[in-house]
This record gives sequence, structure tokens and C-alpha cells, in this order.
Amino acid sequence: QVQLQESGPGLVKPSQTLSLTCTVSGGSISSGGYYWSWIRQHPGKGLEWIGYIYYSGSTYYNPSLKSRVTISVDTSKNQFSLKLSSVTAADTAVYYCARVVGWYFDLWGRGTLVTVSS
Amino acid sequence: QSALTQPASVSGSPGQSITISCTGTSSDVGGYNYVSWYQQHPGKAPKLMIYDVSNRPSGVSNRFSGSKSGNTASLTISGLQAEDEADYYCSSYTSSSTHYVFGTGTKVTVL
Repeated sequence: QVQLQESGPGLVKPSQTLSLTCTVSGGSISSGGYYWSWIRQHPGKGLEWIGYIYYSGSTYYNPSLKSRVTISVDTSKNQFSLKLSSVTAADTAVYYCARVVGWYFDLWGRGTLVTVSS
Repeated sequence: QSALTQPASVSGSPGQSITISCTGTSSDVGGYNYVSWYQQHPGKAPKLMIYDVSNRPSGVSNRFSGSKSGNTASLTISGLQAEDEADYYCSSYTSSSTHYVFGTGTKVTVL
């Protein structure tokens, strides 16, 4: 079955760029019909949607993060990625990648904790 | 876009039924049948339990059911079991530019 797995540095310095990759296995990201999303969860807090991408490259971002977020897709590697620039301690969170069907998230990765600290 | 409002905690004894509410506005919960519910055990990824207000994905127990009235959606867990102890989040499509809004989360405790 389809599985998602996040990867990337667990520690990022303030003002730098956070970069994460989500690898999709068991299915093709190019098969269509799905969007691919990033969601984060601050420690002990609720969930925050960051943005999504279609395999064609079209994107939509949460307006509150839009100025700092870039989501891209590499269909040859069956991966999509997140870049968040100018990070601060407020960006410390568990970052999840997820598959989007309609208006819900049916599959999630296990999540990866990213800490912003010098 | 404000988060959807959920009770911070709900508890029940094994075998009982509990209901978690999720209150929004006419721009999200009340305006569309796109409410979903997620279960999250500590340290784990969220798991989809209900989508489009009342639909259960394959493999989710029929003890979980969803409904909506006006601007409030509800998740009911019947026949409460110890394994149901987790955090639960609702989510909805929103006509605001945010597209998606999540609830504040509810901790379910099985007494």
C-alpha cells in the first residue's frame, strides 16, 4: 500500500531554511487524483496546514506562511519537498507529509521533529 | 482563520458512548459537507477516522460515526475501548484563503 516518509535535518539554525522531503512508496505520485501536502504540529499543540502540490507542480499555500514556503515535486524520484525560509523558534514543530483526497488527508507520514535553535 | 472549537477533554467508561463536538462557522463546518476527523495516539501520526462528515474509511471501526448540524460537527465513539484513548482533531474545508482549518483538539480518556 502507499506509504509516506519524511526525511531531513532535525535541527536548523534561526534565519536559515528548513528543508524536508517526503518519499512516496507503493504508488506513483504522478498517478493523479491526489494532492500532496505538508502539515505541522507545534509541540503539544494542534495541527496547521502548510500547503499542497499537485504532480503537475501547481501549488497552494497557507496565506500565513506563503511568503516563506516553497513546495516542489520530483516525479522521477516520487518525492515532494518543503522549504521554509527565515525560520525562527516558532517554526519548531513536527512536520508531516500527507496525501490529500478531496478535502481531507487520507494518508500521513510518521512525522519528523524539526527544532530551530542555534 | 480561527481554529475550529473542540472541548479540551472528554472521558467515558469502557462500553459507554461519547461525543466530541467541533464548532465552526458558516464559512467552514456549516457551509460545506467537508468535515473530517483524525485520531492521534501519543507520538504517532494522525489517522483519518471520518471524512465528508459521516463517511468511514475502509478499516475504521463502525463504532466511530460522524454527523453535522448547523455549524457544529460531531464525532461519536460508541462502545468505548481502551485503545480509543487518544487525541482527536476535526478539520474542515473553509472558503477563506486558508482552504483547510483544524480543530483545537480533544483528549479522550477512557476511565
